[in-house]
Amino acid sequence: RKEVEQDPGPFNVPEGATVAFNCTYSNSASQSFFWYRQDCRKEPKLLMSVYSSGNEDGRFTAQLNRASQYISLLIRDSKLSDSATYLCVQRGGYNKLIFGAGTRLAVHP
Amino acid sequence: GAGVSQSPSNKVTEKGKDVELRCDPISGHTALYWYRQRLGQGLEFLIYFQGNSAPDKSGLPSDRFSAERTGESVSTLTIQRTQQEDSAVYLCASSLAASRTGVSSGANVLTFGAGSRLTVL
Repeated sequence: RKEVEQDPGPFNVPEGATVAFNCTYSNSASQSFFWYRQDCRKEPKLLMSVYSSGNEDGRFTAQLNRASQYISLLIRDSKLSDSATYLCVQRGGYNKLIFGAGTRLAVHP
Repeated sequence: GAGVSQSPSNKVTEKGKDVELRCDPISGHTALYWYRQRLGQGLEFLIYFQGNSAPDKSGLPSDRFSAERTGESVSTLTIQRTQQEDSAVYLCASSLAASRTGVSSGANVLTFGAGSRLTVL
C-alpha cells in the first residue's frame, strides 16, 4: 500500500463550482501534512499546510481527520486558474516529505 | 542563487550510457531531496540528504542509481547504464533544516528546481 493515496481524477468542474479532494495516509504517527500545487510541466509549489484544527486561506480550506487518516482540500468558487494537479504531502519517517500521485483539476468556463 | 538550479534542463541519451544530473540548492538549505516524475505520474521519492546525517536512500530504484552531496552544497544524481524506463523528469528540492526531533515551519516548504528532463532512446 502506498504511504499517501489520492484519487487521480481528473475532476472537471465549471467555474464557480466547489470541489473537494481527499487523500489518505498510512503512517498514523505522521504529524505534518501539506497540499502542494503543480501546474502542467512546472515544478510543485506549496499551497498550504494542514493543521489538526483545519485552516483556511481565501477560497481554500484544508482539514485533517486523524481518526480516519485522511486530509482534505476544499476549493470554493473555482477559477480557471485553479486548473492544476494538487499533491497531498505527508512528513514521514526521519522527516522526509512523501508526495501522493496527485489529483488533477480542470476548471472550464 | 535565488532558487534551486538544476542542470541539464534536458538530456537525451542512448540506452546503456551513464548520465549525471546536478542540483544546486538554495544557500543555507540543509535538506535536499531528489524525486522522479514520469509522464503523467506523481513524484517518486528517490533520496534525501539532511545536513551531515547519512542520506535516506530508500527510494533509489536500483543500484544503477546513486547520489552524492558534499556538505550543504551541490548534489549530483548519477544513473549508470540507463534504460528506457529511466526516462522522466528528475526534480531536486531543498528546504531549511529538519531534525529527527523537531521541525521548523521552514522545513516544510520545499523549493523545487525546474527539473532535468531525461529521455533514454
